[in-house]
Amino acid sequence: ETGVTQTPRHLVMGMTNKKSLKCEQHLGHNAMYWYKQSAKKPLELMFVYSLEERVENNSVPSRFSPECPNSSHLFLHLHTLQPEDSALYLCASSPRQGFGEKLFFGSGTQLSVL
Amino acid sequence: KNEVEQSPQNLTAQEGEFITINCSYSVGISALHWLQQHPGGGIVSLFMLSSGKKKHGRLIATINIQEKHSSLHITASHPRDSAVYICAVRSGKLIFGTGTRLQVFP
Repeated sequence: ETGVTQTPRHLVMGMTNKKSLKCEQHLGHNAMYWYKQSAKKPLELMFVYSLEERVENNSVPSRFSPECPNSSHLFLHLHTLQPEDSALYLCASSPRQGFGEKLFFGSGTQLSVL
Repeated sequence: KNEVEQSPQNLTAQEGEFITINCSYSVGISALHWLQQHPGGGIVSLFMLSSGKKKHGRLIATINIQEKHSSLHITASHPRDSAVYICAVRSGKLIFGTGTRLQVFP
């Protein structure tokens, strides 16, 4: 148990659906992250939030929309996804955003887009 | 070519064997992380190091900054060590390797 909780664990959606992934941490961390893990590829950083402000957006398509209402919660809103967006989406947090910070990961949401 | 390369990609071992997983990188780094990902998907940070060697239980991580190389060793391996082990380097941002899938059989 890392202290980072993600829901749902599994999600199947059609290309026209709208869904949201949720991440929650009660570690008192100030930075939260969304990562994408596709089969046989390295983890890809999608978004970084520090103190509820987005500080990094790594050329992610607009069909992925993050939201950080407070330092404990992070959402990833999904709409009109493509089959190639099927992947494991991992949330992580760290005490601060920056060099040398240890990351605490959630268990991920396995997303399948049909 | 990925900036972080791990070898081997897949590894099988008998319980009790000594295991080594290697990570080589081609960029300047401020730190290197070893992560463990179990079949359920969750990732646990094992080590963060910038020089020398760290030990935690049966796990040992070493890094050679001059050679841009790190190793993760598991002594007296056990089936519960079966997981994907991921190397990641901090070079401005975190850059991840593709992981080494380890299976330890009883």
